[in-house]
Amino acid sequence: GIQVEQSPPDLILQEGANSTLRCNFSDSVNNLQWFHQNPWGQLINLFYIPSGTKQNGRLSATTVATERYSSLYISSSQTTDSGVYFCAVERPGTASKLTFGTGTRLQVTL
Amino acid sequence: NAGVTQTPKFRILKIGQSMTLQCTQDMNHNYMYWYRQDPGMGLKLIYYSVGAGITDKGEVPNGYNVSRSTTEDFPLRLELAAPSQTSVYFCASSYGGKLNTEAFFGQGTRLTVV
Repeated sequence: GIQVEQSPPDLILQEGANSTLRCNFSDSVNNLQWFHQNPWGQLINLFYIPSGTKQNGRLSATTVATERYSSLYISSSQTTDSGVYFCAVERPGTASKLTFGTGTRLQVTL
Repeated sequence: NAGVTQTPKFRILKIGQSMTLQCTQDMNHNYMYWYRQDPGMGLKLIYYSVGAGITDKGEVPNGYNVSRSTTEDFPLRLELAAPSQTSVYFCASSYGGKLNTEAFFGQGTRLTVV
């Protein structure tokens, strides 16, 4: 099956810093989503981004499907950004099933 | 519009007991999914359904069963609980098809088998 690797696995930032999270995948995909899992375990949709670039406030995401990667950029980080960030990919012809990466655990400190 | 609703939120089971995790969505989505998340890991697919009356196995189906009698509901059944089934369970739904396959998740059910 497809492999989805995220880097870095762990990240500690001071409040106000910027960061880029990376998601690499081993095969062609139809779609890609980014999620934030907050400290309470809830999965929050960040981006649905099969290709191109999208921005939502301090967050932006870029997917280059031909090069098999996506990146999530967090600017001016806040303590509420803490949690685990997952990317998940959907392969063609798979009934929209998602394969998740192992996540990046982010801790934002004061 | 509540989205995807899961019940219960927490449950402790004894080895060998059975239970059903409930999932319902009010977005008229065709596709529904059950995932499990073990500590420190990503989510793995247990079962999925592309419409009422149609279900299929995912990556880790052993020990589970599902049914899909309506578009809205997709319950997950554990028949003989084992400690290996201690996990957090997430239900998700999406329109499916080619236009928009964005998936939305419920809040999760934290299950402990002792």
